[in-house]
Amino acid sequence: KAGVTQTPRYLIKTRGQQVTLSCSPISGHRSVSWYQQTPGQGLQFLFEYFSETQRNKGNFPGRFSGRQFSNSRSEMNVSTLELGDSALYLCASSGGDGNTEAFFGQGTRLTVV
Amino acid sequence: ILNVEQSPQSLHVQEGDSTNFTCSFPSSNFYALHWYRWETAKSPEALFVMTLNGDEKKKGRISATLNTKEGYSYLYIKGSQPEDSATYLCAFPLWFGNEKLTFGTGTRLTIIP
Repeated sequence: KAGVTQTPRYLIKTRGQQVTLSCSPISGHRSVSWYQQTPGQGLQFLFEYFSETQRNKGNFPGRFSGRQFSNSRSEMNVSTLELGDSALYLCASSGGDGNTEAFFGQGTRLTVV
Repeated sequence: ILNVEQSPQSLHVQEGDSTNFTCSFPSSNFYALHWYRWETAKSPEALFVMTLNGDEKKKGRISATLNTKEGYSYLYIKGSQPEDSATYLCAFPLWFGNEKLTFGTGTRLTIIP
């Protein structure tokens, strides 16, 4: 069974640009969640998509958005990049009932210069 | 706001020794507790999802206990091996069946050969 795939693995962008990250969940999983990790911080929840609908949202500005497609693949977009957006972005997929484990991708390391 | 605390922040243990660390969470409105292991350059990997007070789960040399009344969980590693070096994270869902996980900042375990 293929795991969670995130692309790209590494990205360097300039302040003010926008970026799109992609996540392909495990086959059959309908829930995809996105997390941000910055140095010294734990994993911070960004949002969760289930059946193409945003079901949960964390405390991030509107520059962070996402979407999910009918095949459960999800994209995350960050507009008007700031230096502080430099982080590891992880996505996790699960069955969607909240009581089973989440399966994480290897993450996308975003550096904003 | 959910607060999940882990202690200690970091730990150095001699190979062959046993160790344990703690995850504290709000005891009111408990739904589930997740434990993850995150090795450097890899994805976080689920160890356990615990839902019942008094639960005790085991996976090889790693085990976990849960006390929902007092709001803590212990993770034990017996006979530590170098491959146990990782950051161990606990996480708590927002409510029953919810996928939004609030993570602690983790315990970074280093096994000294």
